[in-house]
Amino acid sequence: NAGVTQTPKFRVLKTGQSMTLLCAQDMNHEYMYWYRQDPGMGLRLIHYSVGEGTTAKGEVPDGYNVSRLKKQNFLLGLESAAPSQTSVYFCASTQGGPLRPYEQYFGPGTRLTVT
Amino acid sequence: AQRVTQPEKLLSVFKGAPVELKCNYSYSGSPELFWYVQYSRQRLQLLLRHISRESIKGFTADLNKGETSFHLKKPFAQEEDSAMYYCALGYNTDKLIFGTGTRLQVFP
Repeated sequence: NAGVTQTPKFRVLKTGQSMTLLCAQDMNHEYMYWYRQDPGMGLRLIHYSVGEGTTAKGEVPDGYNVSRLKKQNFLLGLESAAPSQTSVYFCASTQGGPLRPYEQYFGPGTRLTVT
Repeated sequence: AQRVTQPEKLLSVFKGAPVELKCNYSYSGSPELFWYVQYSRQRLQLLLRHISRESIKGFTADLNKGETSFHLKKPFAQEEDSAMYYCALGYNTDKLIFGTGTRLQVFP
């Protein structure tokens, strides 16, 4: 099992360009999450999904959109990149449910630089 | 609103010394607390959860509701413990809020 994978690993964008980050998981997890990690800020939740076809806003959703058309994939889109979106982006997934709703499995991260 | 505070950005100790990574939380409901760890060039992963009252890699953490704390402790640090440690609070049954993290450096 690959667990949680993220594509691409690195990307440099110019201000105003758009891109999509792909997260895939092979654990049949219901819940998926997108975080950004900035120095001194920890991980902050951008958007999340509690099932196929559902999405919800997290703590810092502005400037991002997401889609969960298939259970195993969670896409994060930047329509018009800004330098403030320079960050490391992490995807995570979890089965959810009453037993272990918070045991999240993380991807390796995508380092995005917007110039 | 819920919040997790890790007051130390960096904690440096020598091998064999005790370690305590501090975590305080603010939450109006019944808290579920976790420690996640990220070793160099590895993914962020769950280290331990308060509800299990377990010891993982020699680390323990006790939830103190009176002090709203969930400090991570290890009596004798090892070099391989060097990593970034994040305290996290589970809320709304489906989300985690993370602290800003503490980098632990263990010197030989």
